[in-house]
Amino acid sequence: AQSVAQPEDQVNVAEGNPLTVKCTYSVSGNPYLFWYVQYPNRGLQFLLKYITGDNLVKGSYGFEAEFNKSQTSFHLKKPSALVSDSALYFCAVRGPPPNRDDKIIFGKGTRLHILP
Amino acid sequence: GAGVSQSPRYKVAKRGQDVALRCDPISGHVSLFWYQQALGQGPEFLTYFQNEAQLDKSGLPSDRFFAERPEGSVSTLKIQRTQQEDSAVYLCASSLLGVSDTGELFFGEGSRLTVL
Repeated sequence: AQSVAQPEDQVNVAEGNPLTVKCTYSVSGNPYLFWYVQYPNRGLQFLLKYITGDNLVKGSYGFEAEFNKSQTSFHLKKPSALVSDSALYFCAVRGPPPNRDDKIIFGKGTRLHILP
Repeated sequence: GAGVSQSPRYKVAKRGQDVALRCDPISGHVSLFWYQQALGQGPEFLTYFQNEAQLDKSGLPSDRFFAERPEGSVSTLKIQRTQQEDSAVYLCASSLLGVSDTGELFFGEGSRLTVL
């Protein structure tokens, strides 16, 4: 069964600095990987996904993520953090077709604090 | 509608009461998911529908939990004889396509259930 781990409960970054939020996964075959963001009292919002192709994927709000198959990682990155990026970030994984498990499994989340 | 709509947004129930939580997915979305999110945790998968068919209910924690989507659109999650450990935010998400979908989930804002 697939699983995903976010090793950091919280990440603090100064505004303007680069940020990284870590994610590692476990799945049979080539995974579908996602990042979602949750702002206070809001539903989860899709940021980006990796299905196949270029290992560096770009998403909403200037975020990007790098798929690393050898390290089974999919870390979220942004070159220059904004205070408005402060939120809860979830990494998620879904197994590949044809015999995949269609449910999307989420990590426990990482709270990102951007300090002014 | 424009997004996934869930109701009620907040529900307080006495232990032993039955509750019903409603989800209106985005019109035309084939797939519908229910997740349970406890405080400080990531969303935990409960069940998945493709149209009216419930393809996976492996995440339902007990036989007190029941979900349906009779016409392939609106879904209801019912919890019978609620217990304090059922207190959580229940998230509904929909997706445009079915098993071949590589796309993202669209989440509602959730129904926060508090069992006293």
